[in-house]
Amino acid sequence: DAKTTQPPSMDCAEGRAANLPCNHSTISGNEYVYWYRQIHSQGPQYIIHGLKNNETNEMASLIITEDRKSSTLILPHATLRDTAVYYCIVRVLMEYGNKLVFGAGTILRVKS
Amino acid sequence: DAGVTQSPTHLIKTRGQQVTLRCSPKSGHDTVSWYQQALGQGPQFIFQYYEEEERQRGNFPDRFSGHQFPNYSSELNVNALLLGDSALYLCASSLRGLAGNNEQFFGPGTRLTVL
Repeated sequence: DAKTTQPPSMDCAEGRAANLPCNHSTISGNEYVYWYRQIHSQGPQYIIHGLKNNETNEMASLIITEDRKSSTLILPHATLRDTAVYYCIVRVLMEYGNKLVFGAGTILRVKS
Repeated sequence: DAGVTQSPTHLIKTRGQQVTLRCSPKSGHDTVSWYQQALGQGPQFIFQYYEEEERQRGNFPDRFSGHQFPNYSSELNVNALLLGDSALYLCASSLRGLAGNNEQFFGPGTRLTVL
């Protein structure tokens, strides 16, 4: 079962920041939060991940609350090409590796 | 640097048949995971291969099996196909390890339709 909950859909104006929330209240101390996005049934694309500190890369920023029960993905200047399904994922550690447990994701629609 | 590749891109089978899907991992990666994505849902973990052995398995029946070759490429086999097996099958590769930076890179997927 997914360990994250996200709103089913969000709209954002082109050029504005898109803020996508995620709740993961049952996350364990050594489990990472990952964000992927999927455009029109292509393979999911990695965006960013973090454990407890805020992270930033060329695509996005990830803000994780101090209690780690929720996080927000920020796309600073959304474009039409950012329209996609965004998945907030808890990476579950297993004996010999790890697996990504996907939820239903958030459909982000960027509008001009 | 080639990313994850999968073949075929599309496949149509009938109920009861068997199918084999193939995956080549990203260069330098040694671990392959398979996911099933039904229409309108997020991907679901099937299993993960490392060192040519199945290391972890999701909640999928034994009809789903796999293999990993010495060059790290992998196959997913599904026997006795059911209509409900129609889905996008995704392969993801990564470097083994529990460290924080071993993100999984996904291939474009194989769209399987069972009639």
